[in-house]
Amino acid sequence: ETGVTQTPRHLVMGMTNKKSLKCEQHLGHNAMYWYKQSAKKPLELMFVYSLEERVENNSVPSRFSPECPNSSHLFLHLHTLQPEDSALYLCASSQEKPQGGSPLHFGNGTRLTVT
Amino acid sequence: EDQVTQSPEALRLQEGESSSLNCSYTVSGLRGLFWYRQDPGKGPEFLFTLYSAGEEKEKERLKATLTKKESFLHITAPKPEDSATYLCAVQGSGANSKLTFGKGITLSVRP
Repeated sequence: ETGVTQTPRHLVMGMTNKKSLKCEQHLGHNAMYWYKQSAKKPLELMFVYSLEERVENNSVPSRFSPECPNSSHLFLHLHTLQPEDSALYLCASSQEKPQGGSPLHFGNGTRLTVT
Repeated sequence: EDQVTQSPEALRLQEGESSSLNCSYTVSGLRGLFWYRQDPGKGPEFLFTLYSAGEEKEKERLKATLTKKESFLHITAPKPEDSATYLCAVQGSGANSKLTFGKGITLSVRP
């Protein structure tokens, strides 16, 4: 498989559940990102990992917890979410470190609904 | 703070009717301006990177241009399959600069 793959594609969870989103990149890139996409809003950067080290934590609530075990895999652990957290969560990767100016390659996202 | 404004918010064209999408930006030193295409239910797909004013890039019916204040995505003789949301983003040249996205332009091309 090529590119950036995300699982699951859709997720419905209650406010008291714990779930995880998974992302895998097959491009040999050095940086990985989590973005949140809500209707009528620009993409919001949540977390950035460069060479497996977290380099950005964009004032994200602690109910979102990222994990990057190696340069190809990225997880987003979710617990005690709120209905306003319902959105499309996108994973991306880039060849260079985040300030390097190389384009992002996105997965197709996980559509999350919090009930 | 870097800013990106895209206009119009939505655009409906007849097949074959050429038009342009606008991306206005303010950034302290431009490292790159990026255009992406996003289809419903999918992630954004990279189209172009522009690095300096005067630069142009083309791909099929799309042509991206760049000035010091804005970028245009020109669509020549569009087809229904060009219908998508087009995102613009800028990256500044500062050491801690982030990629700043616009809200996107939803293009609909009628057959």
